[in-house]
Amino acid sequence: NAGVTQTPKFRILKIGQSMTLQCTQDMNHNYMYWYRQDPGMGLKLIYYSVGAGITDKGEVPNGYNVSRSTTEDFPLRLELAAPSQTSVYFCASSYSLLAGLGTDTQYFGPGTRLTVL
Amino acid sequence: TQLLEQSPQFLSIQEGENLTVYCNSSSVFSSLQWYRQEPGEGPVLLVTVVTGGEVKKLKRLTFQFGDARKDSSLHITAAQPGDTGLYLCAGAAGANNLFFGTGTRLTVIP
Repeated sequence: NAGVTQTPKFRILKIGQSMTLQCTQDMNHNYMYWYRQDPGMGLKLIYYSVGAGITDKGEVPNGYNVSRSTTEDFPLRLELAAPSQTSVYFCASSYSLLAGLGTDTQYFGPGTRLTVL
Repeated sequence: TQLLEQSPQFLSIQEGENLTVYCNSSSVFSSLQWYRQEPGEGPVLLVTVVTGGEVKKLKRLTFQFGDARKDSSLHITAAQPGDTGLYLCAGAAGANNLFFGTGTRLTVIP
C-alpha cells in the first residue's frame, strides 16, 4: 500500500517557469490537501479538495492552481514561479471531513523540495 | 490567520531526560493534533485531543489540551534517540482549516 506519493522529489526552477507537482493517493480518500512548509515555519494550507471536481482555497493560494479530475490525483500547478515559492510542498489526504476538524487523520506524502532561482 | 507558537524552537537533551514542548495560541480550537516529522518525510500524526483538559498517553508521551482549548503540551519521559524529530502541533478551526505551529526540533543525544 503506497499511501500518498509525490513527484518529483526535488526540482529547481528559474523565475517565470511553470511546473506541476504531482500527488496520488491509493487509499480512496475523498479529501486531499496541499501544504507548503518554509524553513522554521509550520505548514500552511494552499488548496484543498473535498472530492473529484471540487476544490477550494486555503490560507496561501496566490500563485498556485489545482484540479481534481479523479479521486486519486490532485496536482498542484505553479504558472509563473517566483523565489517566494521556494519551499517544501506536501500533499495529504484524509477519509473524511473530520480531518478539517482535527479528529480524522491526514496522511502526508514525502514532499517535493522546490527551489526557484 | 490563527497563530500557534511552539516553544522551545530547538531542544537538545541527553538520552533518559524528560522534556516538555508547548503549543500556545490566543485562538480557541475545536481540537488539536500533534505530529512528528523526520527529515525528508511528511508529518505523521501522533495524537488528537478534542476536549478541554483532556490528557492522552502514548507510551512515554503525554499530551494535554488546555482547559480553554487554546494551548497544549507534549511531555516525553525518558527520551530516547528514536524520539529525535520535528514536533508540530496543529489546531483545527472550522471545516478544512488546520493551522500548524512553528515546530520544535528535538535532538536526543545517546
